[in-house]
Amino acid sequence: EADIYQTPRYLVIGTGKKITLECSQTMGHDKMYWYQQDPGMELHLIHYSYGVNSTEKGDLSSESTVSRIRTEHFPLTLESARPSHTSQYLCASSGEGNSPLHFGNGTRLTVT
Amino acid sequence: SQQGEEDPQALSIQEGENATMNCSYKTSINNLQWYRQNSGRGLVHLILIRSNEREKHSGRLRVTLDTSKKSSSLLITASRAADTASYFCATDAIGSYQKVTFGIGTKLQVIP
Repeated sequence: EADIYQTPRYLVIGTGKKITLECSQTMGHDKMYWYQQDPGMELHLIHYSYGVNSTEKGDLSSESTVSRIRTEHFPLTLESARPSHTSQYLCASSGEGNSPLHFGNGTRLTVT
Repeated sequence: SQQGEEDPQALSIQEGENATMNCSYKTSINNLQWYRQNSGRGLVHLILIRSNEREKHSGRLRVTLDTSKKSSSLLITASRAADTASYFCATDAIGSYQKVTFGIGTKLQVIP
């Protein structure tokens, strides 16, 4: 099993709240990713990072923001949650070169 | 839009049969990967094929890559009920600096 952890596993929260989804990996990987996936649907890349202090937006426009202050940590923040943010958020990391992605188990977010 | 598209979107077969899933992509790639996702979980890496490779095997998995047609196929031989999952292809486009994007996935059901 890959050492990449996401918390919380499930989150139900009201509209307008600020939330932070945590993602940590202990493999020393430089590259980290956030994907958004509705149940049974495709994955959409929303943010990625090549290393500390590097963050890029993905293909899907997202109102979320990310930070990469430490190699092992890549949190995703929503300043004001809305029902349209309801989805599963998957974090992944990969090492040098063409390494495969290691995924966390995801955070299933519901905004009421 | 997503780089990769799988077909079929859903496939149902009897245990012991072979399952073939196809993936098409749009731009030139460095490599192509296949992942598996059990319901509600993160993705697990299955196999990576580089752009200069044409075929790769791993246990009951066989992957082919045709860069002239921008397509790949994943063959699972002698399927088992435990193979029931969604399967995604992922590509790392040339010039994208290892930004990995996923296709829409194929839902495979293996009936015991």
